[in-house]
Amino acid sequence: DSGVTQTPKHLITATGQRVTLRCSPRSGDLSVYWYQQSLDQGLQFLIQYYNGEERAKGNILERFSAQQFPDLHSELNLSSLELGDSALYFCASSVEVGWGGETQYFGPGTRLLVL
Amino acid sequence: SQQGEEDPQALSIQEGENATMNCSYKTSINNLQWYRQNSGRGLVHLILIRSNEREKHSGRLRVTLDTSKKSSSLLITASRAADTASYFCATDADSSYKLIFGSGTRLLVRP
Repeated sequence: DSGVTQTPKHLITATGQRVTLRCSPRSGDLSVYWYQQSLDQGLQFLIQYYNGEERAKGNILERFSAQQFPDLHSELNLSSLELGDSALYFCASSVEVGWGGETQYFGPGTRLLVL
Repeated sequence: SQQGEEDPQALSIQEGENATMNCSYKTSINNLQWYRQNSGRGLVHLILIRSNEREKHSGRLRVTLDTSKKSSSLLITASRAADTASYFCATDADSSYKLIFGSGTRLLVRP
């Protein structure tokens, strides 16, 4: 158990809908990262937050957004969902900003299926 | 796009044998990490090697890093059935916070 929690574990929804994925980092970790894992794209970095502020952006679609709240939990919002958004979404956390040698601890993931 | 490419894509060995996986990357790095993922589950951090290190050990794991060749290898000695998983290398690009993952090696250890 990494100490990172994600809810829900599974999510089934329809195209065009909007969903929110939630992540609680390990106690004391200030950085939260979101990754998407799909069969065709592999593991892709989406976005990182540090202590409430956006720090880095990856291949995140404009239909997706995220935020980190004062209690450090984070939410990833996916809107206007398409079939291709079906994937495993992972949250990870680390202690500091997360460069130059930070271990990231991953949650169990949310499996999203868009029908 | 992914920075790292792993080789082989899949590996099947007998329990007790050693497993070697390789990772190549494209740009300069601060560190390289290896993660394990059991089927459909979260990633578990295995080991981190910094760019100024050449070799690192952790239990049955040995990682090497050759920055001149932009490559790393993960050796699992005396493999067990429980080692069956996908193994990913991940690098951090220069002054970047994100991890860039390779495509992974699927390891099957037969009892």
